[in-house]
Amino acid sequence: SQQGEEDPQALSIQEGENATMNCSYKTSINNLQWYRQNSGRGLVHLILIRSNEREKHSGRLRVTLDTSKKSSSLLITASRAADTASYFCATDGQSASNTGKLIFGQGTTLQVKP
Amino acid sequence: DAGITQSPRHKVTETGTPVTLRCHQTENHRYMYWYRQDPGHGLRLIHYSYGVKDTDKGEVSDGYSVSRSKTEDFLLTLESATSSQTSVYFCAISESGVQPQHFGDGTRLSIL
Repeated sequence: SQQGEEDPQALSIQEGENATMNCSYKTSINNLQWYRQNSGRGLVHLILIRSNEREKHSGRLRVTLDTSKKSSSLLITASRAADTASYFCATDGQSASNTGKLIFGQGTTLQVKP
Repeated sequence: DAGITQSPRHKVTETGTPVTLRCHQTENHRYMYWYRQDPGHGLRLIHYSYGVKDTDKGEVSDGYSVSRSKTEDFLLTLESATSSQTSVYFCAISESGVQPQHFGDGTRLSIL
């Protein structure tokens, strides 16, 4: 079963604009992660936010987490053509054994036009 | 980039044949994972390992087996491949179960 649902499925913007992607999940979590995937490549970890955190920044990335709504958002500011990729959220489902078993959303495909 | 190598990168085989995919890491990470990625499903966990000879099932483990005899190698085996196992397979590693995962570049497997 899918833990994460992402919205929108696809997003097309101009270079310099901001891009916002949303993720909703179903069960309680310890943390939520965002990953990027360039075409034909593996996933690259972007940012991890813990369940007791509300906001986290990394460079041009800003992630928010609302555990009461079971949702997260990823904001990419001042987008660049190189940001063109698919973005996935992943949750751990609050596993007590900390096995790292992640459940991924279906992803948002971002196209940044030069 | 984390030292993860998946082999082969591409494979075409026939239904009913056995297939083994290999994941090799040079990071000495304890945890290793196998995922499959299909359109409309995102990534789904097949099996994972939390140490040498220690493995457990993921969300979609039916039809797959794994082995880990050394820290650096995690093998995924399809005993008798079916067309529904056509997919892109990704290996990932992690220092611990609470750390981010680092992914290989995938194996594209086609079963005719």
